[in-house]
Amino acid sequence: GAVVSQHPSWVICKSGTSVKIECRSLDFQATTMFWYRQFPKQSLMLMATSNEGSKATYEQGVEKDKFLINHASLTLSTLTVTSAHPEDSSFYICSAIRTENNSPLHFGNGTRLTVT
Amino acid sequence: AQKVTQAQTEISVVEKEDVTLDCVYETRDTTYYLFWYKQPPSGELVFLIRRNSFDEQNEISGRYSWNFQKSTSSFNFTITASQVVDSAVYFCALSEHTGNQFYFGTGTSLTVIP
Repeated sequence: GAVVSQHPSWVICKSGTSVKIECRSLDFQATTMFWYRQFPKQSLMLMATSNEGSKATYEQGVEKDKFLINHASLTLSTLTVTSAHPEDSSFYICSAIRTENNSPLHFGNGTRLTVT
Repeated sequence: AQKVTQAQTEISVVEKEDVTLDCVYETRDTTYYLFWYKQPPSGELVFLIRRNSFDEQNEISGRYSWNFQKSTSSFNFTITASQVVDSAVYFCALSEHTGNQFYFGTGTSLTVIP
């Protein structure tokens, strides 16, 4: 089955530093990837839609300058949390969809970010 | 408006009991897809099932079964003879034909007590 790899699984950083999270589709090409944020005991909140070769589309209320998304190839999207603050601590999950529409959404294992 | 509603926030059952997780959705599209995902304590999301709007056949996979009823806009998930390993948060999701965006419910946290 399709596999989406997300790295790192967890990261601890100091306030003011930047953190990059990678999302890779390992056995299929993903023209579209999604980045979600999940607070404890809550649902997934879509942050942005990442399209290969073009700018990401951010959801309302998500700061694009703070959460930089790059989708440089059909198998890799990155999310960089810039100048991280403790309130950015959360569980970030990426997902990828195959090129055909509405194929099952495959998720990475998530990245738990803790900003101290 | 909430497109996917999972009214049950938390459910606890004793092992071997059956349990049904409810999901009600809202859409104006005639073509859409419904999904269930499992999120165990480790955090990853595990795909369980996808159902398209034209296929109302109920599906059974081992101890899992799904009841899709367009008349009530529901896509309920039943676990038969629950096991401790079934303890997780379960999310129902909707994908409309018009786009790739997925709408997730708020999840139901299931605890199976040994």
